[in-house]
Amino acid sequence: GIQVEQSPPDLILQEGANSTLRCNFSDSVNNLQWFHQNPWGQLINLFYIPSGTKQNGRLSATTVATERYSLLYISSSQTTDSGVYFCASNPAGSYQLTFGKGTKLSVIP
Amino acid sequence: SAVISQKPSRDICQRGTSLTIQCQVDSQVTMMFWYRQQPGQSLTLIATANQGSEATYESGFVIDKFPISRPNLTFSTLTVSNMSPEDSSIYLCSVLYDSYNEQFFGPGTRLTVL
Repeated sequence: GIQVEQSPPDLILQEGANSTLRCNFSDSVNNLQWFHQNPWGQLINLFYIPSGTKQNGRLSATTVATERYSLLYISSSQTTDSGVYFCASNPAGSYQLTFGKGTKLSVIP
Repeated sequence: SAVISQKPSRDICQRGTSLTIQCQVDSQVTMMFWYRQQPGQSLTLIATANQGSEATYESGFVIDKFPISRPNLTFSTLTVSNMSPEDSSIYLCSVLYDSYNEQFFGPGTRLTVL
């Protein structure tokens, strides 16, 4: 099946700093999603982005499908951005998501 | 976006017992899924819940341990049977709306087995 790799595994930021999270996938995909898991375990949808660029407030994401990677940008980070960020994808013809291992982000005041 | 609820939100159970987790969606969906997240780990797909037929299980998961029901297009249950401490995890359901390719997740059920 498809392999999804995320980097870095851990990231500590000072409040106000910017960061870039990366997701590599091993095959062409039908779907690429970014999620934020809050401390209570809930998965929040950030972006559905199989290709192209999207922005939502301080967050933006870019997927380059031909090169099999996606990037999540967080600008002016806040302590509420802390948590684990997952990317997940499924190949064409499949609907079952494969998740990366996540990036654990800690934003300190 | 979706409105998905799960019951219970958390539970503490004794080994050897079973727990049934419910997932309710605000509108009809063709595809529902169940995932497990072990402590400190990523999410792993358990099975696809098919309406009107048996669930489709992923490698490493079997029906005897994780029986799934899908009686209609808005509801599904996952049972964790004969539990052991290794079953302590967050269990999440997700849905895929027919006209979209984006999955949405329920709030999860945090299970602790003693």
